[in-house]
Amino acid sequence: NAGVTQTPKFQVLKTGQSMTLQCAQDMNHNSMYWYRQDPGMGLRLIYYSASEGTTDKGEVPNGYNVSRLNKREFSLRLESAAPSQTSVYFCASSPTDRGYGYTFGSGTRLTVV
Amino acid sequence: EDKVVQSPLSLVVHEGDTVTLNCSYEVTNFRSLLWYKQEKKAPTFLFMLTSSGIEKKSGRLSSILDKKELFSILNITATQTGDSAIYLCAVGGANSKLTFGKGITLSVRP
Repeated sequence: NAGVTQTPKFQVLKTGQSMTLQCAQDMNHNSMYWYRQDPGMGLRLIYYSASEGTTDKGEVPNGYNVSRLNKREFSLRLESAAPSQTSVYFCASSPTDRGYGYTFGSGTRLTVV
Repeated sequence: EDKVVQSPLSLVVHEGDTVTLNCSYEVTNFRSLLWYKQEKKAPTFLFMLTSSGIEKKSGRLSSILDKKELFSILNITATQTGDSAIYLCAVGGANSKLTFGKGITLSVRP
């Protein structure tokens, strides 16, 4: 089925460990995004990529890095995980930079202990 | 910096009630306002609004935008327990990203 695929769905890390969250879309969308969601906080933008080859910081980029590997894939890396990064992470894509037409992945629930 | 404020943050109603969810915003070069419903997993799209005064309707849900006063409302009539969810409002501005509000948690009791 067409859409946005995130892996893994669940992950537990120890403080200081690193990991990469993977995201891939098969809708030929230009723009891709990483959000985190914490209780009572809505969705907060971590990084986004308006088009292949570009990435920009969002509202809460500290502690994260991203790579827009190609048009389909946009990964999020935690170099040294901290308990404050315990959250649900959503990847999304959109066809243009017009702020609409978002499709979300199913999310990754990350716990850092 | 773009800003979206939703109110109330949570509410509890009984089946059959009508609810109004509010969203106000400040954004540079407004392009669109979107409403999403989120249950257990990812947000699912409800409405996109770009023009003032034009009501969008889908079954028991409707929404309208006021670009002069910078707000939108989402109405749900004859609520059902399946309407229990978090309702997210988001605005698209000058760049490609959406800015989300904190969400409104709606609980519909039988």
